[in-house]
Amino acid sequence: GNSVTQMEGPVTLSEEAFLTINCTYTATGYPSLFWYVQYPGEGLQLLLKATKADDKGSNKGFEATYRKETTSFHLEKGSVQVSDSAVYFCALTNPGGFKTIFGAGTRLFVKA
Amino acid sequence: NAGVTQTPKFQVLKTGQSMTLQCAQDMNHEYMSWYRQDPGMGLRLIHYSVGAGITDQGEVPNGYNVSRSTTEDFPLRLLSAAPSQTSVYFCASSGQAREQYFGPGTRLTVT
Repeated sequence: GNSVTQMEGPVTLSEEAFLTINCTYTATGYPSLFWYVQYPGEGLQLLLKATKADDKGSNKGFEATYRKETTSFHLEKGSVQVSDSAVYFCALTNPGGFKTIFGAGTRLFVKA
Repeated sequence: NAGVTQTPKFQVLKTGQSMTLQCAQDMNHEYMSWYRQDPGMGLRLIHYSVGAGITDQGEVPNGYNVSRSTTEDFPLRLLSAAPSQTSVYFCASSGQAREQYFGPGTRLTVT
């Protein structure tokens, strides 16, 4: 079945450091891929998405590229801020379907 | 445009009580779902619906019922609350773009 695996946290970085959170998936066909972010005490919100191979999703300085050959969708940011501290979830949805499969989440702490 | 709304924000129940968590969306989305999120864990799908009158079970449906009489509303009913149902509950909706819009959550404690 479909699945999403992301790196375990927590990830602790200093402000302005480079961020990578790894995400790999297992799915048939070409799923849509997403990153969601959850700030403390809130629901998840969409951070970025990509719907086909080699697409790059980007938002708020975060980027992720849909790599079909490695079944990956790693999240990157060149310079993190304290305000980026949150839990990040990688997710996929199969084409033609609505059910979303979420990874376990990676907690990011950014120190000033 | 309110998006996805959930009520109540907080609730404390005694074991054996029943209650309904309300969820509504104003985006005319076909797909709606309920998740629970426990400490240190990701999201687990409880029930989902692909349209009015159509519901199905997710991975942890036991102890919960849902109905979808309108496109807008998707209430989650706890039949007989148990301490194991202490959790944060999120409702979400999704349209053709497949991206999910989440409500702010209901924090439920069962004593």
